[in-house]
Amino acid sequence: DTGVSQDPRHKITKRGQNVTFRCDPISEHNRLYWYRQTLGQGPEFLTYFQNEAQLEKSRLLSDRFSAERPKGSFSTLEIQRTEQGDSAMYLCASRTKQGPNTEAFFGQGTRLTVV
Amino acid sequence: GNSVTQMEGPVTLSEEAFLTINCTYTATGYPSLFWYVQYPGEGLQLLLKATKADDKGSNKGFEATYRKETTSFHLEKGSVQVSDSAVYFCALSDRGNTPLVFGKGTRLSVIA
Repeated sequence: DTGVSQDPRHKITKRGQNVTFRCDPISEHNRLYWYRQTLGQGPEFLTYFQNEAQLEKSRLLSDRFSAERPKGSFSTLEIQRTEQGDSAMYLCASRTKQGPNTEAFFGQGTRLTVV
Repeated sequence: GNSVTQMEGPVTLSEEAFLTINCTYTATGYPSLFWYVQYPGEGLQLLLKATKADDKGSNKGFEATYRKETTSFHLEKGSVQVSDSAVYFCALSDRGNTPLVFGKGTRLSVIA
């Protein structure tokens, strides 16, 4: 297993454009999380899936943001009408279903720059 | 709500120096506590964790003890190496597999 992978690694887009990021979790992990990290800050939780069900969404997730995990495997995060304030690193993490307090494995992130 | 506060960096140490990075938390109930590390150009990795009071997590020479009475989870290492240069994040999860809440991170630079 190669771990959590995210694509693309970098994305530069013009303000107002839509962007979509993909996350492929570790194959047997049923829990998937999206976080956003800005410079000098820790990751901030955006949303969480258990299998294909989106169980929790942060207030940070405005209505321009949408996430899906259609078959309980990979996930996509879409940002519509991007704004300069959306510039950040978007991180994906996955966790196994076995037991509480298990380790979250993170991908390397997608760095978004909105110009 | 839940929150984590960790000492601000950057922290610069000479090789073989003693390291402490302070972390305190606010949470309802009994959270699990974690330290994650982010090496340059890499993703976040779990360094160590503790799931109940007085537990000590340890890995790669790093240690942290879950102190419920002081709501703290300070990271320590007796002798740092240049390869320990990274950003360290303290985090908590307050039940089961709920999303992690992170501190702002502390950048450590170790010079030879």
